[in-house]
Amino acid sequence: EADIYQTPRYLVIGTGKKITLECSQTMGHDKMYWYQQDPGMELHLIHYSYGVNSTEKGDLSSESTVSRIRTEHFPLTLESARPSHTSQYLCASEDRANTIYFGEGSWLTVV
Amino acid sequence: AQSVTQLDSHVSVSEGTPVLLRCNYSSSYSPSLFWYVQHPNKGLQLLLKYTSAATLVKGINGFEAEFKKSETSFHLTKPSAHMSDAAEYFCVVSDRGTNAGKSTFGDGTTLTVKP
Repeated sequence: EADIYQTPRYLVIGTGKKITLECSQTMGHDKMYWYQQDPGMELHLIHYSYGVNSTEKGDLSSESTVSRIRTEHFPLTLESARPSHTSQYLCASEDRANTIYFGEGSWLTVV
Repeated sequence: AQSVTQLDSHVSVSEGTPVLLRCNYSSSYSPSLFWYVQHPNKGLQLLLKYTSAATLVKGINGFEAEFKKSETSFHLTKPSAHMSDAAEYFCVVSDRGTNAGKSTFGDGTTLTVKP
């Protein structure tokens, strides 16, 4: 059982609001990822990190930002949410054997 | 560079019949290969992984996959489908041992199991 946690699990917010999705892992993994996934669709990598103070944009352009001040914490922030940001956001971390562990996901609805 | 192709976006089987989900990959190095399963409204769960040991890999819930280097394939199989197997399945490739690499996910295959 992987120890990676996402909060909130479900959130409905208004357009223009700022939101931070939290992700924490207790496994000491250096690599962490954020994926965006619409229902029944493929995963799109939006951000990744190879360790503290390392952040990179993923394959899919995103208006969100991330930070990695501590190994265990990789929050994702939307400064001004829009309806097009409505989606599921999955956080993950990767061990040295390249096995990826996923959180349960955060479902964001922007109205 | 690495890539992964899941050859079927949807697979439908009857309960009790075999399951085959196909995955082809390309990798510049010796790859690690994985299959993940995602049930509705859930995160992804590791089914099985291939690193460098036996080419036939057994996973959870009766699934297994065979690494075939000559065919650059890593197909997922199960002898007898169960209703609870209905989910989305993702094949993943990662260049093994590279510190700067990241994993590449396939687009997913939706498995439907009919009663």
